[in-house]
Amino acid sequence: RKEVEQDPGPFNVPEGATVAFNCTYSNSASQSFFWYRQDCRKEPKLLMSVYSSGNEDGRFTAQLNRASQYISLLIRDSKLSDSATYLCVVNRMDSWGKLQFGAGTQVVVTP
Amino acid sequence: ETGVTQSPTHLIKTRGQQVTLRCSSQSGHNTVSWYQQALGQGPQFIFQYYREEENGRGNFPPRFSGLQFPNYSSELNVNALELDDSALYLCASSLGSSNTEAFFGQGTRLTVV
Repeated sequence: RKEVEQDPGPFNVPEGATVAFNCTYSNSASQSFFWYRQDCRKEPKLLMSVYSSGNEDGRFTAQLNRASQYISLLIRDSKLSDSATYLCVVNRMDSWGKLQFGAGTQVVVTP
Repeated sequence: ETGVTQSPTHLIKTRGQQVTLRCSSQSGHNTVSWYQQALGQGPQFIFQYYREEENGRGNFPPRFSGLQFPNYSSELNVNALELDDSALYLCASSLGSSNTEAFFGQGTRLTVV
């Protein structure tokens, strides 16, 4: 079983709609959580960190559920420019600095 | 831009050859981590260098090796290249080994034929 699992998608989303997707992690020692965005054939870029109480950054909302070991990302009012692959990333306390990436969820926003 | 630069951007090598990839970290960052991203997969951790010492290694064979220099730039060396080594190699720079915020370079796309 992979340490970080994501639905690969694609999630086809009409412009202006809301999309949400989850990521599950298997190791309870996971301590820090992030969402990265990766455009086709480009490097990953940090979208947002995920905090225990949940956090929002503009149209993006991230939630963490430690009991069920998943994190989520919600995108409101989707823009064409939101089309990308969203990578779920966890950082374990017992291997600090070794980021564990999911395989990514592809989002395609259509006009 | 992150300030992390990698060279070369693209490379084609023959099976059995050796390759060296380079990474210049963001100014002020003392930690460099290397990742391999195969097509359709997420990046996989290769190893991390903190203040010129290896500080953690993923499940990669010894033919993957690295260095970090006093200016915190880094090299990734791969010997005896195999076809499966074809991937995007990413370097991530951070301040401190906790990697709470890692900034990636644009990557080197390696093709082994």
